[in-house]
Amino acid sequence: GQNIDQPTEMTATEGAIVQINCTYQTSGFNGLFWYQQHAGEAPTFLSYNVLDGLEEKGRFSSFLSRSKGYSYLLLKELQMKDSASYLCAVMDSNYQLIWGAGTKLIIKP
Amino acid sequence: IAGITQAPTSQILAAGRRMTLRCTQDMRHNAMYWYRQDLGLGLRLIHYSNTAGTTGKGEVPDGYSVSRANTDDFPLTLASAVPSQTSVYFCASSDGLAGDTDTQYFGPGTRLTVL
Repeated sequence: GQNIDQPTEMTATEGAIVQINCTYQTSGFNGLFWYQQHAGEAPTFLSYNVLDGLEEKGRFSSFLSRSKGYSYLLLKELQMKDSASYLCAVMDSNYQLIWGAGTKLIIKP
Repeated sequence: IAGITQAPTSQILAAGRRMTLRCTQDMRHNAMYWYRQDLGLGLRLIHYSNTAGTTGKGEVPDGYSVSRANTDDFPLTLASAVPSQTSVYFCASSDGLAGDTDTQYFGPGTRLTVL
């Protein structure tokens, strides 16, 4: 079967760095997405990786290793507004997104 | 402002009733999707449409139907609601092209409670 694993919850301190991991087993691979979802709101797109390596966008970076079935989202200089759930999703061979359950990130002052 | 709208925002429904959730996008995206999101589970695809006039079944299609008469609208119908359909429903759309441009953009969601 297809499976996306990510930690259920993480806690970090304002101003610090946090890494949210995602491992996947899917039938085919056509890219990996990270979304941010604040409580009670819709998911919003953060990043997309299809090749191995690191993609950087301001305070957020996303890394992919296809051979290991592994990705991480790195958030730097954490702000209170970064408190949200972070969803990892993989596009499979049918070009459908398979979603992880999400990681709830709690930022403490 | 371009984007996706959903209606209603929330609804409480008696079991056995019929309900249509509405979704409209103005980005001229080819593909549209319906997901449900339940606590502790990832988003699960209910139905999708790659282009106007076509629809397909996702992971959890039972009890739901969709239609895609035009590019902009993609309504989701629950023919006879059951309590297990209590969830938050998200509509999304994408260009429908492979690669980076296939990013999905989400509507604000409909919170549905079936009693």
